[in-house]
Amino acid sequence: DTEVTQTPKHLVMGMTNKKSLKCEQHMGHRAMYWYKQKAKKPPELMFVYSYEKLSINESVPSRFSPECPNSSLLNLHLHALQPEDSALYLCASSQQPGLQNNEQFFGPGTRLTVL
Amino acid sequence: DQQVKQNSPSLSVQEGRISILNCDYTNSMFDYFLWYKKYPAEGPTFLISISSIKDKNEDGRFTVFLNKSAKHLSLHIVPSQPGDSAVYFCAASAYNTDKLIFGTGTRLQVFP
Repeated sequence: DTEVTQTPKHLVMGMTNKKSLKCEQHMGHRAMYWYKQKAKKPPELMFVYSYEKLSINESVPSRFSPECPNSSLLNLHLHALQPEDSALYLCASSQQPGLQNNEQFFGPGTRLTVL
Repeated sequence: DQQVKQNSPSLSVQEGRISILNCDYTNSMFDYFLWYKKYPAEGPTFLISISSIKDKNEDGRFTVFLNKSAKHLSLHIVPSQPGDSAVYFCAASAYNTDKLIFGTGTRLQVFP
């Protein structure tokens, strides 16, 4: 299995809703990432998990809460989002944290719309 | 402050010719560079990478060149094919960090 999967593919939520995005990989990778991508912009890093521990938080608002239950799964819990949070949320994984040759492999993304 | 820049938002190339996509960076701590290809509604797909100890890396139709003194890299695709039409992002990382900084992307269109 050489892919990163993400569910759901699309999500529409209101500003008072609580929802979760899920990401899974079975490549034995020990680093996992969340990115946010707005239209016509590059992906922007949100969080990095290394060996299931949060290693980087790029000053993301607390309405986004990441969770790494095990080495294959990564969740992003969403609560009280704003319409400007609407974006494509991308999950990625890489073989081992801290390596130079550390290509990241991306999932297809979840298209989130906040009403 | 955009540390990785792709100054050409779009490029149009005829099938069979060479496509050259350019990328400039400002942070001298970057030592690893990658190119990703992205189709609409999909995640970026890794294409090719290069370490700062090299100045060229080749994989099939794709070649990446790195000019450290100019803080510039380029991706050459030859021959270009219609299936290469996509948005191409360059990305960079600094030693011992897991942060990838992406450029703004170049939309490549290969026409018959």
